[in-house]
Amino acid sequence: ETGVTQTPRHLVMGMTNKKSLKCEQHLGHNAMYWYKQSAKKPLELMFVYNFKEQTENNSVPSRFSPECPNSSHLFLHLHTLQPEDSALYLCASSQDGGSGSGELFFGEGSRLTVL
Amino acid sequence: GQNIDQPTEMTATEGAIVQINCTYQTSGFNGLFWYQQHAGEAPTFLSYNVLDGLEEKGRFSSFLSRSKGYSYLLLKELQMKDSASYLCAVRDSNYQLIWGAGTKLIIKP
Repeated sequence: ETGVTQTPRHLVMGMTNKKSLKCEQHLGHNAMYWYKQSAKKPLELMFVYNFKEQTENNSVPSRFSPECPNSSHLFLHLHTLQPEDSALYLCASSQDGGSGSGELFFGEGSRLTVL
Repeated sequence: GQNIDQPTEMTATEGAIVQINCTYQTSGFNGLFWYQQHAGEAPTFLSYNVLDGLEEKGRFSSFLSRSKGYSYLLLKELQMKDSASYLCAVRDSNYQLIWGAGTKLIIKP
């Protein structure tokens, strides 16, 4: 139990579907992140939120849309995805936005399969 | 470009010692992290090095040489539960985390 909860753990969707991934952190942290993890590849940072404000968008396609209603919740809205978007999507939080020595606390991820 | 290199896979024997290397070329340096990730689980923090030298934490130690762009994670008295992927990440001058692809460690009895 890392204090970061992601739902759903597994998701299968067609290319025309719309779905959302949810992340909740119970650690009182100020920064939240979405990462994409593909087999045998480095973690890819997608989005960063600091105090509910988006501070990073790493050239992510618009078919991925993040939402951060408060500092404890983070969503990733998915629509018109492609098969190559199939991956493990990890949510993480940290006390600060990365300037300190604070480590990231990860959720267990949402395994997404796009058919 | 920025790059983190670590071996894709390593095999070791229960009770032995294993060293997982990580070399990096980044735009500046503001710390190096090691994370452990068991299959199907969240990555969890193991260690943080920002100064040269060895940091010891129980059976695990992490070493850093900034001049060589090099770190290693040393695992002693290996246990079956140490079978996992080990991720190296470097924070660059913009405080962005640059990740390696991870090293899958297989422990055999």
